[in-house]
Amino acid sequence: NAGVTQTPKFRVLKTGQSMTLLCAQDMNHEYMYWYRQDPGMGLRLIHYSVGEGTTAKGEVPDGYNVSRLKKQNFLLGLESAAPSQTSVYFCASSYGGLAATGELFFGEGSRLTVL
Amino acid sequence: AQKVTQAQTEISVVEKEDVTLDCVYETRDTTYYLFWYKQPPSGELVFLIRRNSFDEQNEISGRYSWNFQKSTSSFNFTITASQVVDSAVYFCALRQNRDDKIIFGKGTRLHILP
Repeated sequence: NAGVTQTPKFRVLKTGQSMTLLCAQDMNHEYMYWYRQDPGMGLRLIHYSVGEGTTAKGEVPDGYNVSRLKKQNFLLGLESAAPSQTSVYFCASSYGGLAATGELFFGEGSRLTVL
Repeated sequence: AQKVTQAQTEISVVEKEDVTLDCVYETRDTTYYLFWYKQPPSGELVFLIRRNSFDEQNEISGRYSWNFQKSTSSFNFTITASQVVDSAVYFCALRQNRDDKIIFGKGTRLHILP
């Protein structure tokens, strides 16, 4: 089983460029999350989704947009990348509804560098 | 407000010592879940345990044990007879039922010295 797959794994951008990170899960999970991990800051929630067609803001949503057009995919977009967005990005998914206990299944992470 | 505090940034202990990682949380919900995750040097995030707000029983799994105390809003994690392979960053997390947000603490980096 693939589980949660993030694409790309590594990317270098110049300030002002745009890009999209793709997260795909094959576990039929309702909920999906995007986090960023920075040294000393732990994992901070950017955006999340509790179902197809729905998204919600997390702790640090500014500068990012997301879309959940298909249940299995959750896209994270940077419209105009800034050096402050240099980070490791993790996508995660979990069961929802009555089965929603919150255990997260994580992807391997995507390392983004903005020059 | 939803918040998770891991006050210990970094801990070093000698192998075979016991070590406790602290986690304090804040939430206005009466129904919530608490978690611990491990991130070894390889970088992946590994689920360790989940606890719901209605179950205050302590749990033991091998050398790992967890102490949940609602009175002090704490969910501490103890490793008994630590091993070098326990070296990792450990995260505590909180999920509130009201909005399904899952918030993490900043993590505790644990070094087990041989």
